[in-house]
Amino acid sequence: NAGVTQTPKFQVLKTGQSMTLQCAQDMNHNSMYWYRQDPGMGLRLIYYSASEGTTDKGEVPNGYNVSRLNKREFSLRLESAAPSQTSVYFCASTGLAGPPQYFGPGTRLLVL
Amino acid sequence: AQSVSQHNHHVILSEAASLELGCNYSYGGTVNLFWYVQYPGQHLQLLLKYFSGDPLVKGIKGFEAEFIKSKFSFNLRKPSVQWSDTAEYFCAVNAGISNYQLIWGAGTKLIIKP
Repeated sequence: NAGVTQTPKFQVLKTGQSMTLQCAQDMNHNSMYWYRQDPGMGLRLIYYSASEGTTDKGEVPNGYNVSRLNKREFSLRLESAAPSQTSVYFCASTGLAGPPQYFGPGTRLLVL
Repeated sequence: AQSVSQHNHHVILSEAASLELGCNYSYGGTVNLFWYVQYPGQHLQLLLKYFSGDPLVKGIKGFEAEFIKSKFSFNLRKPSVQWSDTAEYFCAVNAGISNYQLIWGAGTKLIIKP
């Protein structure tokens, strides 16, 4: 099992550019999450998906969209990147409804 | 607003020393409590969790945590640390917002000197 995988690992964007962060899990989990981690702060939930085709906003959803087209994949899209979105992004999953158990390696995003 | 406070951002210990990392939360209702760990170069992973029952919870690698409701605390402990315990440790609380939303502490970086 690869667990939770994320691509890319690193990305540099200019303000206003768009990009999609990809996340996939091979554990047949229903629940998937997107978090961001900023220096000196705890993780903050951006979006959550309880199952294929369903998504819920988390604590900091503004400026992001998500897509859960199938059980394996949960993508995060930045339509028009802003410097405030410079962060490390983590995808996570769990087999049971509830908090995350397995995390991906993270994507470091720098928006100039 | 609910919050989680981890008292120390950095802790440095020698091998075989005892460890206690503090975690306090601000919420008066029923809580579920978690400790996560991120070893260098590895993914974040769940270390232990408390939902109900015995307030002393045992996790992987000899770690344990004690829920003290009167103190709003969930401190992480290990009697004798090893160099391989070097990692960043995060406390998180599920405090009634929803069954999936956690409030996270800022993390404690633990360095164990060999």
